[in-house]
Amino acid sequence: AQTVTQSQPEMSVQEAETVTLSCTYDTSESDYYLFWYKQPPSRQMILVIRQEAYKQQNATENRFSVNFQKAAKSFSLKISDSQLGDAAMYFCAYRSASGNTGKLIFGQGTTLQVKP
Amino acid sequence: DGGITQSPKYLFRKEGQNVTLSCEQNLNHDAMYWYRQDPGQGLRLIYYSQIVNDFQKGDIAEGYSVSREKKESFPLTVTSAQKNPTAFYLCARYTSGGTDTQYFGPGTRLTVL
Repeated sequence: AQTVTQSQPEMSVQEAETVTLSCTYDTSESDYYLFWYKQPPSRQMILVIRQEAYKQQNATENRFSVNFQKAAKSFSLKISDSQLGDAAMYFCAYRSASGNTGKLIFGQGTTLQVKP
Repeated sequence: DGGITQSPKYLFRKEGQNVTLSCEQNLNHDAMYWYRQDPGQGLRLIYYSQIVNDFQKGDIAEGYSVSREKKESFPLTVTSAQKNPTAFYLCARYTSGGTDTQYFGPGTRLTVL
């Protein structure tokens, strides 16, 4: 069975600085998708970024980028120029590309604090 | 709302009562999911449905039931058999192709009194 681990329960960053959130996963599959979701205090889950495992190029979305290391099964999220609105809980998630069930497996989450 | 709504936002239940949480989507997506979130934890899958009149158990289905009589609706019933039902419940929609991603509703906070 696949598992997702986020080893940093809490992180903090100064406004305008850069922070990296860690995520590792375990799978025997070769084709899959990885996601980072943001959950602000409103508790709405918001997709931040996604990565297809077959793509070597790291995904980027404005100030958000990932460092995808397939061999190491690592998928970290880098937030550049941190803003107060980035304060939230961040979840790493895995989805198999086989079976097409769409099921997501989540990590435990990392709470990010942004200091003004 | 991302094409998916949940109601109510807050729900209170007495012990021993069943309660139904609503989830509706208006984007004609095939698959829908129910997740449970406990404090300080990630989301865990309760049930999911890929087509009308069919659904599958997730990792923590005990004490829950669902139905999928219409494509746009996927209600979750928390039964009295669920021993620790107080949690935050999230519904999601998914369609393959395109962005190939799950999108979530705003959630329902259930509290057992």
